[in-house]
Amino acid sequence: EAGVAQSPRYKIIEKRQSVAFWCNPISGHATLYWYQQILGQGPKLLIQFQNNGVVDDSQLPKDRFSAERLKGVDSTLKIQPAKLEDSAVYLCASSPLGFYETQYFGPGTRLLVL
Amino acid sequence: GIQVEQSPPDLILQEGANSTLRCNFSDSVNNLQWFHQNPWGQLINLFYIPSGTKQNGRLSATTVATERYSLLYISSSQTTDSGVYFCAALSNDYKLSFGAGTTVTVRA
Repeated sequence: EAGVAQSPRYKIIEKRQSVAFWCNPISGHATLYWYQQILGQGPKLLIQFQNNGVVDDSQLPKDRFSAERLKGVDSTLKIQPAKLEDSAVYLCASSPLGFYETQYFGPGTRLLVL
Repeated sequence: GIQVEQSPPDLILQEGANSTLRCNFSDSVNNLQWFHQNPWGQLINLFYIPSGTKQNGRLSATTVATERYSLLYISSSQTTDSGVYFCAALSNDYKLSFGAGTTVTVRA
């Protein structure tokens, strides 16, 4: 069974630029999560999708971050414009149904904003 | 959301030693999970344990929901156990909060 795929693995941009990350969850998993992990901290949930609907985006900075999950499969997370404090690892995870099941994490995208 | 505190922040073990990691949470929870993040950044679910005790090989976890804490036990530690261990609590309104983690280093 293929795991959660993410790309790119690394990205370096300058502040005020835009960036997009892509995630392909495990086939058949209805729930997809995006997390932000700042160095030295635990992951913070940004957004949770159930199929192609948003379940929770309460911690997503909506003035600059956006995410979509078209057709209930893969997802993109965009930052526009980026700030220095957005430097972090962005993790994507999926689970068959929701929080009561094991989440499977991708390898993450490491973003550095200069 | 729920406040999650983990202790100790860092732990250095000799191979073969046993250890206990603690997670305290500030409110009642729907779910409590333990994760391991290896040195390459890969995050793996270890347990989801809202209450009671579970075991998986050399790892076991106990959550005492009424006292708002959970413990992760590592027995006969191996160098592959190195990494950061996170606990995460799911509140009754379904907000997931992670602790800051315990960094474990197992020396051969």
